[in-house]
Amino acid sequence: GQQLNQSPQSMFIQEGEDVSMNCTSSSIFNTWLWYKQDPGEGPVLLIALYKAGELTSNGRLTAQFGITRKDSFLNISASIPSDVGIYFCAGRSSGNTGKLIFGQGTTLQVKP
Amino acid sequence: GAGVSQTPSNKVTEKGKYVELRCDPISGHTALYWYRQSLGQGPEFLIYFQGTGAADDSGLPNDRFFAVRPEGSVSTLKIQRTERGDSAVYLCASSSGQGANEQFFGPGTRLTVL
Repeated sequence: GQQLNQSPQSMFIQEGEDVSMNCTSSSIFNTWLWYKQDPGEGPVLLIALYKAGELTSNGRLTAQFGITRKDSFLNISASIPSDVGIYFCAGRSSGNTGKLIFGQGTTLQVKP
Repeated sequence: GAGVSQTPSNKVTEKGKYVELRCDPISGHTALYWYRQSLGQGPEFLIYFQGTGAADDSGLPNDRFFAVRPEGSVSTLKIQRTERGDSAVYLCASSSGQGANEQFFGPGTRLTVL
């Protein structure tokens, strides 16, 4: 099935470092979402973006909806050990559908 | 709890068997979604319901897969004649409506087809 192109696939960083990951699509999306998934659990929503160019923060997390509506990025500042997990981007093509298209995920490991 | 629950948490079956996976959404949520997540991949959309009706079933891979939500609450994903390639985590999510509303995910059912 269709998936977004998410990079990097994995990151291993030192505690306190900043992290950046991004997602691109060949299709336009009206909504971009960023989720975090811990082992054995379902994804949990971190940030939702609804407008091209929108920049939104949630604590140490900042995400942007690309101007072209075909990309988005997520930044995590001053990483801590509990940031460990798998991060997924997801896009929705229109406001009338509940269908989300997910990226392949970025696995983040933080070394204390 | 008040979250989305899924049963069973794990299901091991033999190739060719029939399985049912159950999802209990958050009370009052009208929209319910099923996704499938293979190892190392993101969730892949299967089907979603708005109320009792399937609003979009374009993600169901073939006619062995079927889902129902007869009373607009609990949903069952049914897989006939299971194949080894069906092995994955099946995630359910619900939201207060379709569209822009946040989807809350359950912990998933890990299906293993031997």
